[in-house]
Amino acid sequence: QKEVEQNSGPLSVPEGAIASLNCTYSDRGSQSFFWYRQYSGKSPELIMSIYSNGDKEDGRFTAQLNKASQYVSLLIRDSQPSDSATYLCAVRGKTGYALNFGKGTSLLVTP
Amino acid sequence: DAMVIQNPRYQVTQFGKPVTLSCSQTLNHNVMYWYQQKSSQAPKLLFHYYDKDFNNEADTPDNFQSRRPNTSFCFLDIRSPGLGDAAMYLCATSRVGGVEPQHFGDGTRLSIL
Repeated sequence: QKEVEQNSGPLSVPEGAIASLNCTYSDRGSQSFFWYRQYSGKSPELIMSIYSNGDKEDGRFTAQLNKASQYVSLLIRDSQPSDSATYLCAVRGKTGYALNFGKGTSLLVTP
Repeated sequence: DAMVIQNPRYQVTQFGKPVTLSCSQTLNHNVMYWYQQKSSQAPKLLFHYYDKDFNNEADTPDNFQSRRPNTSFCFLDIRSPGLGDAAMYLCATSRVGGVEPQHFGDGTRLSIL
């Protein structure tokens, strides 16, 4: 069973702080990694994608990938209350099209 | 804007009464997916189509069926809904390729009376 693990949280950070969300995966052949944001009662929204080891930055978001450690993370700088949501880590294996999702980490940004 | 559209947003049906959920896309993506998501759980893939090729997940109940009459439309049929089938149903699309993300519709919230 190919698994994607996330801490369910809730992770609580004060407004303006850096939120750090982590994800580990079991399939060493995984090739692409995605972070989705999901507000309560809404559908997942793509935030970041990353395919190579290292960091990828997009605005206040930075994705970090370490394939040797089978670890991917998402950093949110200058966190805002509107960032409060569940963040889903999704991993695509070496073959196929489907994504394996983690259960998500609930983030709460307090004013 | 190109998008993935699901109808209806909310669906209420009776126990055992067949129900169909629909999904359409203007993205012209080859692959369409159906997920089931229950509260505080990860989206669970039910099946997906690559063009007309249907791929069923091993643990998807026989109660769930799907049709893709053309590139733009995909349907999820639940033949005899049980109380445990109450969930959010998410349709997603993607292009072919390992680096391609999936794009989700707004989902259909299904309630069973």
